[in-house]
Amino acid sequence: QVQLQESGPGLVKPSETLSLSCAVSGDSISSRSYYGAWIRQPPGKGPEWIGTIFYRGDTYYSPSLKGRVAISVDTSKNLFFLKLSSVTAADTAVYFCVRQARVLLRFGEPSPGYYESWGQGALVTVS
Amino acid sequence: EIVLTQSPGILSLSPGERATLSCRASQSVTSNYLAWYQQKPGQAPRLLIYGASRRATGIPDRFSGSGSGTDFILTISRLEPEDFAVFYCQQYGSSPNSFGQGTKLEI
Repeated sequence: QVQLQESGPGLVKPSETLSLSCAVSGDSISSRSYYGAWIRQPPGKGPEWIGTIFYRGDTYYSPSLKGRVAISVDTSKNLFFLKLSSVTAADTAVYFCVRQARVLLRFGEPSPGYYESWGQGALVTVS
Repeated sequence: EIVLTQSPGILSLSPGERATLSCRASQSVTSNYLAWYQQKPGQAPRLLIYGASRRATGIPDRFSGSGSGTDFILTISRLEPEDFAVFYCQQYGSSPNSFGQGTKLEI
């Protein structure tokens, strides 16, 4: 059974860097179709995509967070990571790590798609 | 960025009734790459439908998705007590992928 588990500090000070890790079990990040994503959900609001990493390290980031976000992967440990810098109270949210399905776009190029397996989420408060 | 607008914001129904949730996109969704998720309080969202109409593994057949282009529908044919939750649509045909604001289905 595929499981994802987020871990990291639950409280971060304003202007500092939020760091989370995601441990994957029952699956291999090294598989050629593996896309790992981070999604956040502020209290009482809908989900927001932060960014996605392909197993070999290619990254895709939300335009609204680009410049503050970095996602990395350690395939040897089956982990992927999120760093979000210069945080403010607006970054307070539940952060989920997710396996994103591989889909094919119109001309056959592979792309990250829907979110098929989710971690339980980690609440991070900026204060 | 494609904006997804879900309606209604809140839907009040009873067990046994049929639920119809709408998701409208600001522009056509490439390849009908639209997914639906269910989220209960304190839990992560759960994938219900992908590709507009394909049920995810383990999802009961009372859940069905339809639509194409800019207009999509999630139908729950006969509501069970455990179905009441918040539902989100998501498009993944264009980057950046985006979510709707959600429909709360309440008893």
